Amino acid sequence: DAKTTQPTSMDCAEGRAANLPCNHSTISGNEYVYWYRQIHSQGPQYIIHGLKNNETNEMASLIITEDRKSSTLILPHATLRDTAVYYCIVRFPGNSGGYQKVTFGTGTKLQVIP
Amino acid sequence: DGGITQSPKYLFRKEGQNVTLSCEQNLNHDAMYWYRQDPGQGLRLIYYSQIVNDFQKGDIAEGYSVSREKKESFPLTVTSAQKNPTAFYLCASTPSAGRNTIYFGEGSWLTVV
Repeated sequence: DAKTTQPTSMDCAEGRAANLPCNHSTISGNEYVYWYRQIHSQGPQYIIHGLKNNETNEMASLIITEDRKSSTLILPHATLRDTAVYYCIVRFPGNSGGYQKVTFGTGTKLQVIP
Repeated sequence: DGGITQSPKYLFRKEGQNVTLSCEQNLNHDAMYWYRQDPGQGLRLIYYSQIVNDFQKGDIAEGYSVSREKKESFPLTVTSAQKNPTAFYLCASTPSAGRNTIYFGEGSWLTVV
């Protein structure tokens, strides 16, 4: 799996959009970008994933650059409950070809400020 | 609702004791994983299993053991050989095919006293 690079921490004012960047310059052509978040002392929660097109769901939007070397997770209206560590990972879909090791780095600690 | 259940949530272990963390899933997933997380750190893979009766070592398997006798269960034993076992342990699973989203349990805190 390709490695990812994220800022260690970010602040965002409550009600504003939170934009969390992720670099994945060594991503291969069929690897997907996944985002998870982890609230303290809980298991990581799936947020969104994408291949090359921008994606949106009820939680967030994912913007992937045309060269796929970076992406941005957007929380459109951050709330205090969005304070968490956000992880960006890349991996293949499915289990064909055997196990794909998944590496979770230290992620970005997002602090939403009242 | 389908999901992954880890137990216990909190566990205290005396030095020299083995302890077993339970992980059960009712998602009908083939693959299951165990991760360890230390404070302020990312997740590190301990063991994984792609199918019943098969499992492989991850990056930090020393001092741990697992079994996969049933599809829905993947218990982790922290043995006395693990020198620094105090950590947060996460169990996860993925479907055998498809988008392969990783589903996580709520985690278990293990403290050595």
